[in-house]
Amino acid sequence: NAGVTQTPKFRVLKTGQSMTLLCAQDMNHEYMYWYRQDPGMGLRLIHYSVGEGTTAKGEVPDGYNVSRLKKQNFLLGLESAAPSQTSVYFCASSTWGSSYEQYFGPGTRLTVT
Amino acid sequence: GQQVMQIPQYQHVQEGEDFTTYCNSSTTLSNIQWYKQRPGGHPVFLIQLVKSGEVKKQKRLTFQFGEAKKNSSLHITATQTTDVGTYFCAGNFNKFYFGSGTKLNVKP
Repeated sequence: NAGVTQTPKFRVLKTGQSMTLLCAQDMNHEYMYWYRQDPGMGLRLIHYSVGEGTTAKGEVPDGYNVSRLKKQNFLLGLESAAPSQTSVYFCASSTWGSSYEQYFGPGTRLTVT
Repeated sequence: GQQVMQIPQYQHVQEGEDFTTYCNSSTTLSNIQWYKQRPGGHPVFLIQLVKSGEVKKQKRLTFQFGEAKKNSSLHITATQTTDVGTYFCAGNFNKFYFGSGTKLNVKP
């Protein structure tokens, strides 16, 4: 099992450009999450999904969109990147909800210039 | 809003010394989880506490959940260089809110 994988590992964008981050899990987990991690601020939840075809907003959803067309994939989109979105992005999945441990991907380091 | 506060932000210890990080919430938590993130790595689940006053041990690590389910602590006895990393608590208010983490550095 690969667990949770993320593509790409690194990316540099210019302000205003768009991109999609891909997360894939092979554990048949229902729940998937997108977090961003900034120095000194821990992990902040951007969006999450409780199952295929469903998404919900987290703590910091502005400027991001998500889609969960297939159970194993969770996509995070930035329509018009801003320097404030420079961060490390982690995807995670769990069997069910918040009473279950989350398995994290290796992260994507995004820089917006 | 709902927040989980974690202290200290940094801790530097000599190998063999003990280490403790604390997590506090103004709201009663359903449960709390602890994660460890090695430098350059991703968070890895350590443990979950659910019951009021619960204490769990994993070798040199001791985790406690307060009686009011509003605070928690992680204590490491006799730190080793392999303990280096950032330790996060994550409090459950239906969704998880992560604390800002405690970065532990261990000098050999």
